[in-house]
Amino acid sequence: DTGVSQDPRHKITKRGQNVTFRCDPISEHNRLYWYRQTLGQGPEFLTYFQNEAQLEKSRLLSDRFSAERPKGSFSTLEIQRTEQGDSAMYLCASSLGLLLTFGSGTRLTVV
Amino acid sequence: AQSVSQHNHHVILSEAASLELGCNYSYGGTVNLFWYVQYPGQHLQLLLKYFSGDPLVKGIKGFEAEFIKSKFSFNLRKPSVQWSDTAEYFCAVNAGGATNKLIFGTGTLLAVQP
Repeated sequence: DTGVSQDPRHKITKRGQNVTFRCDPISEHNRLYWYRQTLGQGPEFLTYFQNEAQLEKSRLLSDRFSAERPKGSFSTLEIQRTEQGDSAMYLCASSLGLLLTFGSGTRLTVV
Repeated sequence: AQSVSQHNHHVILSEAASLELGCNYSYGGTVNLFWYVQYPGQHLQLLLKYFSGDPLVKGIKGFEAEFIKSKFSFNLRKPSVQWSDTAEYFCAVNAGGATNKLIFGTGTLLAVQP
């Protein structure tokens, strides 16, 4: 149990459908990150929240992607009109300071 | 922009062999450096970190890493690997700023043969 929970663990969707992932961080952590990891690559930063404020978004986060963290607790990442190139592992991490704790990820397959 | 290079993409070793995985980063300022490990089917876990002080840092499971500022390197070492060290290893840098986000290398897949 890492303390960071992600749901679902796996998602298979048809191209063009919308998907939403959820991340529950460690409760006292005010910082929350989303990363994307594809095969043969390291995790790539997508976006960052401090409490409920989204303070940074990567250029990787196209306008089809949106993330929220209402009330500074759990976070959701939505992908609209999914494309095959969106297939990846989506990782969530949380922290109080410099040490990030990662969840197990949501593996998205777009068919 | 900061970047991290891991030169060994796939390493195969026999048990008891010594391990060294290379990591170089590009950033001229103060950095915090990390090695994360991902065992098959598991989440990313912190192996060790360097913030300041002694450039030789020790982590879990007998791993250590040396920060060489002049070479922008943070190589990971283990004197004698075990089959259970089979995993993917990621080097990461945090160059500060407001977000403390990590920039990861592409990873090194280590396979240890019994």
